[in-house]
Amino acid sequence: GAGVSQTPSNKVTEKGKYVELRCDPISGHTALYWYRQSLGQGPEFLIYFQGTGAADDSGLPNDRFFAVRPEGSVSTLKIQRTERGDSAVYLCASSLMVVGYNEQFFGPGTRLTVL
Amino acid sequence: AQSVTQLGSHVSVSEGALVLLRCNYSSSVPPYLFWYVQYPNQGLQLLLKYTTGATLVKGINGFEAEFKKSETSFHLTKPSAHMSDAAEYFCAVSGGNNNDMRFGAGTRLTVKP
Repeated sequence: GAGVSQTPSNKVTEKGKYVELRCDPISGHTALYWYRQSLGQGPEFLIYFQGTGAADDSGLPNDRFFAVRPEGSVSTLKIQRTERGDSAVYLCASSLMVVGYNEQFFGPGTRLTVL
Repeated sequence: AQSVTQLGSHVSVSEGALVLLRCNYSSSVPPYLFWYVQYPNQGLQLLLKYTTGATLVKGINGFEAEFKKSETSFHLTKPSAHMSDAAEYFCAVSGGNNNDMRFGAGTRLTVKP
């Protein structure tokens, strides 16, 4: 079956612009996670959803970052007034559930470059 | 809270040589430990995991890791490196739930012919 997909694969934008990054999880996975991977670093947790609600958004760096998952499937990570420091690869993952251990399956990521 | 430290951002081995990638963790609860591999332009792929039970865990592609509580370590090994093993490897720890998974900075493995 299809894995986690993310679009676009690459996004180049100018400082101050607004961007949206999309994640399509594996069908049937109720939990969805966003991570940010800066150059030379491991993935850093941003937010996760259980169903439609953001169960934990403690990893979002500031209020310019926001994510939604209105129908409990596709999720969009939104970044307002982008800054050069936002440049990174944004990874999405999904799993069957959050409670207990359920393997997270990762998408290929969206590489965001802010000029 | 959980955290991991991967010793060595770059490791280079010859084809056929032993691969050893080091990972030490810190956790306030019994940890779940993971190794992921990331090939260029691809998502992270789970190599192996330790949750409970046997401390020596075997994963895909001939990799294995041993959970050593006394050393707070979870080092990744493979007896004989293959060219296709060249990739970035990440160690991760969680407290047993997916929402608290924390990754190390990664180790880039290079395999020389």
